[in-house]
Amino acid sequence: EAGVTQSPTHLIKTRGQQATLRCSPISGHTSVYWYQQALGLGLQFLLWYDEGEERNRGNFPPRFSGRQFPNYSSELNVNALELEDSALYLCASSLVRSGSDTGELFFGEGSRLTVL
Amino acid sequence: AQKVTQAQTEISVVEKEDVTLDCVYETRDTTYYLFWYKQPPSGELVFLIRRNSFDEQNEISGRYSWNFQKSTSSFNFTITASQVVDSAVYFCALSETNSGYALNFGKGTSLLVTP
Repeated sequence: EAGVTQSPTHLIKTRGQQATLRCSPISGHTSVYWYQQALGLGLQFLLWYDEGEERNRGNFPPRFSGRQFPNYSSELNVNALELEDSALYLCASSLVRSGSDTGELFFGEGSRLTVL
Repeated sequence: AQKVTQAQTEISVVEKEDVTLDCVYETRDTTYYLFWYKQPPSGELVFLIRRNSFDEQNEISGRYSWNFQKSTSSFNFTITASQVVDSAVYFCALSETNSGYALNFGKGTSLLVTP
């Protein structure tokens, strides 16, 4: 069974540009989460999508946005890039929280965004 | 607001030593979930354990054990007889009931196990 896949692996952009990152969850998982792992800041929650809807959002400006497609894949868009957006962006998927699931988030290997 | 604190930034031990990673959390929810994840040098986060707030039983899985104490808001992780392969960054995390599995992570503890 394929795990969570993310693309691209690496992305280099300049300030002011837009970046789009993509994520395919594990088959059968309806929830997708995005996290930012920036140097010195740890892992910070960005967005949660479930069944095509944005369910929760972390403390990030509106230029961080995304969507979830009918096949549950997701993309994260970062507009008007700033130098401090340079980070590893991790996508995770899970089953919807229920009494029977293990509560495990399955993470992809991440997309490393560098803003010059 | 919820918060997870991992006071130990880096720990270095010699193989076969026991090591405990501390995690202290804050939340106003009465129902919440606590997690530990491992991030080896390869970068991919690996799930280790989830604990519900209403289940304070300690858990042991091989060389790993977890001590959950609501009275002190702590969820500590012990590795017994550490091995070089245990070298990684370990994250403690918290999620509340209405946030799916939107985890609030601690800053992580980098564990280095030397031969």
